[in-house]
Amino acid sequence: DIQMTQSPSSLSASVGDRVTITCRTSQSISSYLNWYQQKPGKAPNLLIYGVSSLQSGVPSRFSGNGSGTDFTLTISSLQPEDFATYYCQQSYSSPPEATFGQGTKLEIK
Amino acid sequence: EVQLVESGGGLVQPGGSLRLSCAASRFTFSGYWMTWVRQAPGKGLEWVANIKQDGSEKYYVDSAKGRFTISRDNAKNSLYLQMNSLGAEDTAVYYCARGPSKSNAFDIWGQGTMVTVSS
Repeated sequence: DIQMTQSPSSLSASVGDRVTITCRTSQSISSYLNWYQQKPGKAPNLLIYGVSSLQSGVPSRFSGNGSGTDFTLTISSLQPEDFATYYCQQSYSSPPEATFGQGTKLEIK
Repeated sequence: EVQLVESGGGLVQPGGSLRLSCAASRFTFSGYWMTWVRQAPGKGLEWVANIKQDGSEKYYVDSAKGRFTISRDNAKNSLYLQMNSLGAEDTAVYYCARGPSKSNAFDIWGQGTMVTVSS
């Protein structure tokens, strides 16, 4: 099984800050790395798929990068609506099982 | 608007059963893999099961194997999760999601349905 390590588990930042969340996998997963945002009481929302492709409707301040086993999600200038929990997800394996990272809770400083 | 709406959650006793449903609308349901993901209270996301477009392939997380059955009815644009032998560890919000699709992501999610296993 592919293990995922997401860091940090929590992060305090201010509006306008640039923040980066990291996801590391136990083996190479090519480009099958995706990022989600989840707000309290709501379903997750796909932000980034295939490492760096922005899902339709997602603001361009969100970006993804990485390859192999190390991946990042960056928010270039935090907005009030960005305070939420973020999850990475991989589905490289066959059959297509999915694994989520532990989540990063982004809080207002 | 493309939409998924779950139903069927509730309170069930340990050892009991429950059947969740997910109604899809405004997209070609039969053209997509579909997935169940759950989230225990205060915890992260856990993939539970997925099913191929025609129902010919089904996969489960180890903890669900032998207890849960995923199925679909393409004529009714509906996804199901039959859950048997439920335990406290199955208490969670259950989401249906479209996918895996592009880059094996889940691009549309329902609002979730809460399952509570307790005596």
